[in-house]
Amino acid sequence: DAKTTQPNSMESNEEEPVHLPCNHSTISGTDYIHWYRQLPSQGPEYVIHGLTSNVNNRMASLAIAEDRKSSTLILHRATLRDAAVYYCMRTSYGKLTFGQGTILTVHP
Amino acid sequence: DADVTQTPRNRITKTGKRIMLECSQTKGHDRMYWYRQDPGLGLQLIYYSFDVKDINKGEISDGYSVSRQAQAKFSLSLESAIPNQTALYFCATSDGGVDRGHEQFFGPGTRLTVL
Repeated sequence: DAKTTQPNSMESNEEEPVHLPCNHSTISGTDYIHWYRQLPSQGPEYVIHGLTSNVNNRMASLAIAEDRKSSTLILHRATLRDAAVYYCMRTSYGKLTFGQGTILTVHP
Repeated sequence: DADVTQTPRNRITKTGKRIMLECSQTKGHDRMYWYRQDPGLGLQLIYYSFDVKDINKGEISDGYSVSRQAQAKFSLSLESAIPNQTALYFCATSDGGVDRGHEQFFGPGTRLTVL
């Protein structure tokens, strides 16, 4: 059974890096890993995705373990606007499995 | 204007009533999705559609049905609503297969309460 697990909550201080982990120990070789975030009273928005290699974009970086059983979303300098629920999702044909989400609190 | 819109945004109904939630998109995407969100459970896929003639069940389709009226419109129906269908419902679209790395674009959500 596909499982994607995340810590319930994490805290950070403003302008510090944040590392949000996700465990997807049953992932198969062709499953992508996506990250979305959800601000209060909004729908989720895309952050980043990857397959095997580490990925960077203007919002974040994604570090994928060599065995692909876990990944980490990295926010290099957290801001107050990054306070949100962050969801890890794994995808395979016909199955899109979200984790339960990590509530990120950013302290000024 | 928003690319993915959902109507209504809030709905309160009674057990046994038929309810339809509507989703429209102006992104020109072929693929559309319906999700349900419950506190602490993340998002669960109800149904998805690759085009007007291709509709597929997700992991929690029991008690729900869908209709893809056009490329831009995807409706979710609860034929006989029950209280445990109280949740936040999201529609999403994508330009290609999410299982091939394409991102999804989500609507603002519909909060449904079944009394």
